[in-house]
Amino acid sequence: AQSVTQLGSHVSVSEGALVLLRCNYSSSVPPYLFWYVQYPNQGLQLLLKYTSAATLVKGINGFEAEFKKSETSFHLTKPSAHMSDAAEYFCAVSDTGNQFYFGTGTSLTVIP
Amino acid sequence: NAGVMQNPRHLVRRRGQEARLRCSPMKGHSHVYWYRQLPEEGLKFMVYLQKENIIDESGMPKERFSAEFPKEGPSILRIQQVVRGDSAAYFCASSAGQGYGYTFGSGTRLTVV
Repeated sequence: AQSVTQLGSHVSVSEGALVLLRCNYSSSVPPYLFWYVQYPNQGLQLLLKYTSAATLVKGINGFEAEFKKSETSFHLTKPSAHMSDAAEYFCAVSDTGNQFYFGTGTSLTVIP
Repeated sequence: NAGVMQNPRHLVRRRGQEARLRCSPMKGHSHVYWYRQLPEEGLKFMVYLQKENIIDESGMPKERFSAEFPKEGPSILRIQQVVRGDSAAYFCASSAGQGYGYTFGSGTRLTVV
């Protein structure tokens, strides 16, 4: 079975600082990998996805993630945090592109 | 181009009642997925449907829960004889196909009292 581990359920960064949200996955086949963001009382919005093209994936709002097969990781980064980045972030993996397995989420707080 | 539409946004049911959650996928999307989010947890897959077919219901509880996606109209997630443990946010997502990623609705928050 697929699984996703997001290290750190809560991450706090200062405004303007680097954002790093960690995601490790288990998959026996080349996976589809996604990052989603959820704002309070809203649905999930796709930030970016990896589908076996370039290993460095650029998404919306200045976020990017790098697929590292040797580390089974897909960490999400942003060079400079903005107050509007405060939200819950979910990593997801799928080997079929249909059923997704989500991590438990990382709550990002941005400190002014 | 409206996104995935879910209604109602909030639903309150007494124990033993039925809950019906509706999801209209994005235009052009024929794949619908239902997920449940419990407090402080990630999303858990429930069921994957295409028009008139259940493709994968491995995440659906065997009793009281059912889902359909008829030829015409929205997808329906039905929970019979609700219990307090059913209280959660239920999200629907739609997709144009494999690997495209989902577009999520805003969810239905079910509260069982």
